[in-house]
Parts: sequence; C-alpha cells; structure tokens
Amino acid sequence: GAGVSQSPRYKVAKRGQDVALRCDPISGHVSLFWYQQALGQGPEFLTYFQNEAQLDKSGLPSDRFFAERPEGSVSTLKIQRTQQEDSAVYLCASSLGADPLGNEQFFGPGTRLTVL
Amino acid sequence: QQPVQSPQAVILREGEDAVINCSSSKALYSVHWYRQKHGEAPVFLMILLKGGEQKGHEKISASFNEKKQQSSLYLTASQLSYSGTYFCGTEATGTYKYIFGTGTRLKVLA
Repeated sequence: GAGVSQSPRYKVAKRGQDVALRCDPISGHVSLFWYQQALGQGPEFLTYFQNEAQLDKSGLPSDRFFAERPEGSVSTLKIQRTQQEDSAVYLCASSLGADPLGNEQFFGPGTRLTVL
Repeated sequence: QQPVQSPQAVILREGEDAVINCSSSKALYSVHWYRQKHGEAPVFLMILLKGGEQKGHEKISASFNEKKQQSSLYLTASQLSYSGTYFCGTEATGTYKYIFGTGTRLKVLA
C-alpha cells in the first residue's frame, strides 16, 4: 500500500482480555516504531525494530506488553491482561533507513484501544 | 530527558509568523519536527541535521542555537491549515529510543 496501515482502528476490550494490534509498514522500510499516545499527550516510545530485530524495548510499560516483527515487515503489538490504564491510541511508524534520526517517520492512523 | 517546548500554546492570525522552541538538557544530534491535528497521526514537517542541513517543508525552516541544545521552528505566513500540535522529536543519547517534546498547540485564525 501507499502508507502505513494499522488494524483494527478501534478496539474495545474488557479488563483482563488479551489484545493484538497489527501494523503494516511501508514496503521496504527498515525501521519500525510503536508509540502509545494518551489523550492530550504526545506519543511515547514503546519499542523499535530494525528489520526483524527488536533493538530497543525500553518503553514497554510492563511485561504484559510484547511486540514482534518476525519477517521484518508486519509487526504485532500484543497486550496481555489489559488494564484500564492501557487505554490509549497506539501508533505505528516506519522509516526507510536504519538511522532513526536521519529519516522521517511515516505514521499509521493508529489503533484506539479502550479497556472497560 | 524529554525536550521542553515553548510556548505551550499560541494563537495567530492568518499570515502571521510564529517561532516554536525545543530545548534539551543535552546537545541535540538532530531534530525532527512533526505536526499533529486532532484525531490524526503526526505528519512529518522537517529534519534538522547536526550540521544545520534541513530537509522538509518549503515554508517552514528550523535552526539550532550555538550549543545545539535548542532548536527553533519558524513558520512564515501562517495558513489556517497550520493549526495543530507541533512536536519536536529526537533520540535519547546512545539508544534507539525516540522522544517527542512536550508539544506546542498552535491555532491560526482567519
């Protein structure tokens, strides 16, 4: 496709449920980021992939959060045993090169997760 | 380590200019600028590289101060479409962790 796509766009989960959020980056993009954006706040870094390698996961808030990019393209962010504080928009972004600061990031539309 | 932006909010009339600052406690290797409209994803505006080179929007420019601990974004002849929240972004030193600044809400009035 022409841009980064994410699915689902909206997800409502009951507290304690597991959810999986998908990101399809722009074809050929090496770098992939996941961010969490709470209402009224800026995006906060969760994790970074370079191809299939997860080079930084320091932003994942707890061990309930897990991300993968097994073939270096599509990525999945999984949240286990969701809590109300997980409610946020989850943004995925990809960039062409392996230098995160040398290339612009293209963002997907985000997945709005609401945990009841 | 999150860069602090100023002002927090600004209101302009169409055609006016604006400056948004992004300050860090450490020297900035390079800085990205993004604009996010309500309910939408951030959109890339420009990259300011450590040597001062810029890549991006034609009506938007940016600079570093002398110590490269502050970047300023210059918006000239603002248009209604410039309204949104502006974020600077950079990398935490020695990591791949990408950090957005605190944000500046900008509103352009007709």
